[in-house]
Amino acid sequence: GENVEQHPSTLSVQEGDSAVIKCTYSDSASNYFPWYKQELGKGPQLIIDIRSNVGEKKDQRIAVTLNKTAKHFSLHITETQPEDSAVYFCAASQGSGGYQKVTFGTGTKLQVIP
Amino acid sequence: GAVVSQHPSWVICKSGTSVKIECRSLDFQATTMFWYRQFPKQSLMLMATSNEGSKATYEQGVEKDKFLINHASLTLSTLTVTSAHPEDSSFYICSASQGANTQYFGPGTRLTVL
Repeated sequence: GENVEQHPSTLSVQEGDSAVIKCTYSDSASNYFPWYKQELGKGPQLIIDIRSNVGEKKDQRIAVTLNKTAKHFSLHITETQPEDSAVYFCAASQGSGGYQKVTFGTGTKLQVIP
Repeated sequence: GAVVSQHPSWVICKSGTSVKIECRSLDFQATTMFWYRQFPKQSLMLMATSNEGSKATYEQGVEKDKFLINHASLTLSTLTVTSAHPEDSSFYICSASQGANTQYFGPGTRLTVL
């Protein structure tokens, strides 16, 4: 089955700096890669996603890159703010409709220091 | 859009009793719903996948007779933890999808079994 590795497990940055979280996956059949932000005691919130036919996607301060050959994808957050502090999960998914299965990374706890 | 609710947000029960958790997609019809379990400081573990009107597909190691899942409509799925024990205490999160891989998560339900 799919295996998703995520690094680092914890990340501290100064407010205004950039943060980068990296993930690798094992199954070349995976074709959808979402990123979720989870605040303490809450459910994960989808913040950005990318499909395997796209190499990069950007949404304001958040960007995701995908390297299919190397089987890795990354989340980039620029101009970090204290409210960006949370646990971030990457995931890899294959299939579509009712047959999808999402495998999550182990999470990165991001702390933005004011 | 794409809002998923869960009820209750937290529940405390005695050992041996059953607990039902509801998951609703509020503004879209969910062809598939998923149930996850999350232990403190850990990633999400998929328990089962359910499609409206059919039996749920359980992940390996998840007892289907203990974790009963019903997906009666395109907007409602329920998870019943039967004969709960302290080791069942966890954060249970549902997600809903209308196809195309994207899953939208509920806010989670914290279950504590005394």
